[in-house]
Amino acid sequence: KNEVEQSPQNLTAQEGEFITINCSYSVGISALHWLQQHPGGGIVSLFMLSSGKKKHGRLIATINIQEKHSSLHITASHPRDSAVYTCAVRIDSNYQLIWGAGTKLIIKP
Amino acid sequence: NAGVMQNPRHLVRRRGQEARLRCSPMKGHSHVYWYRQLPEEGLKFMVYLQKENIIDESGMPKERFSAEFPKEGPSILRIQQVVRGDSAAYFCASSTLALSTGELFFGEGSRLTVL
Repeated sequence: KNEVEQSPQNLTAQEGEFITINCSYSVGISALHWLQQHPGGGIVSLFMLSSGKKKHGRLIATINIQEKHSSLHITASHPRDSAVYTCAVRIDSNYQLIWGAGTKLIIKP
Repeated sequence: NAGVMQNPRHLVRRRGQEARLRCSPMKGHSHVYWYRQLPEEGLKFMVYLQKENIIDESGMPKERFSAEFPKEGPSILRIQQVVRGDSAAYFCASSTLALSTGELFFGEGSRLTVL
């Protein structure tokens, strides 16, 4: 079993829909990152969380440390939100990030 | 404030040649991370450096790959005697502090193609 599990793997939705991407992990962490990568493009760090909730524009990220779970929400989704979204956790025992497999999101107009 | 700068953006090499990828972290950032992304796959950690020190190179192949982050100048990822399997996107990221406390910023990546 992977230490970081993301769901769904693929998600196709209509423009305007509310999107939720989930990330569960099985290790103790000090921080969790959500990242976005457009096809053939660079990587953008969306959020870094260690507790609670953060909001940036139409993006909201939450984390529940006790349940070892984080969610990324996109409100009023738009075709330009189409990208791969990946969560990555940093565990205390080393310097590496453990990456989820990514969620490929397609928003249709 | 410029972001993380990587160059070249695209690099083509023939088998057996050397590839040098450069990463200039954001101003004020002293922590640099290199990741490799194979086609259709996620990012894989390679190496974590601070100025003049390699902190963690556990993700680096034992042969042909090396990395440095000198006191002055960019971080360099060097791949000697490249093979077709080295074709990938190589991403650099930087942060002000160790990952547990610092935000992570990525460069646009360097895409290596080995012919």
